[in-house]
Amino acid sequence: GDSVTQTEGPVTLSEGTSLTVNCSYETKQYPTLFWYVQYPGEGPQLLFKVPKANEKGSSRGFEATYNKEATSFHLQKASVQESDSAVYYCALSPYGNEKITFGAGTKLTIKP
Amino acid sequence: GALVYQYPRRTICKSGTSMRMECQAVGFQATSVAWYRQSPQKTFELIALSTVNSAIKYEQNFTQEKFPISHPNLSFSSMTVLNAYLEDRGLYLCGARDWGSYEQYFGPGTRLTVL
Repeated sequence: GDSVTQTEGPVTLSEGTSLTVNCSYETKQYPTLFWYVQYPGEGPQLLFKVPKANEKGSSRGFEATYNKEATSFHLQKASVQESDSAVYYCALSPYGNEKITFGAGTKLTIKP
Repeated sequence: GALVYQYPRRTICKSGTSMRMECQAVGFQATSVAWYRQSPQKTFELIALSTVNSAIKYEQNFTQEKFPISHPNLSFSSMTVLNAYLEDRGLYLCGARDWGSYEQYFGPGTRLTVL
């Protein structure tokens, strides 16, 4: 079946430093890839999605490139802020399939 | 804008009893509703996918007998956890897909505690 593996948390960084959360995926079908963010007490919110290989998605300074050859979708941000503290989920949904498969989540804490 | 509400936000039930949770899509028509569970220290597991006017499809390890779902129209769905036990505790999420944009929007979840 489909699977998503991402950087095991928790990850703690200082404000202003750079972030990379690794994500790799497995599926036999052509997927759309997602990054979701979840704040305490809330459901996951879509950060961005990328439906096509070799394209980049971005939002709020975060970005990730859909690398089909490496089956990766790493999340990056050049300079994190305290407000970025949350749990980040990498996910995939095969084309034509409504099911979303989530990774285990990476808890990110940014210290001022 | 598109919003998904879930009721209740938190609930506590005694072991062996049942509880019902609701999901309401506002601002869009939800052609499908997916119910997920996030157990403690785990990621989101799909319980079932419900499409209006189609059979509800349950994932492996989840059954209609345990998690009956109702999806009577394009804005509302409910799910009941029957005979809840400790392993059923967690955050139950509803994801509703917008017919127009095909985006899936998640509600804030119903947190179930089983005593």
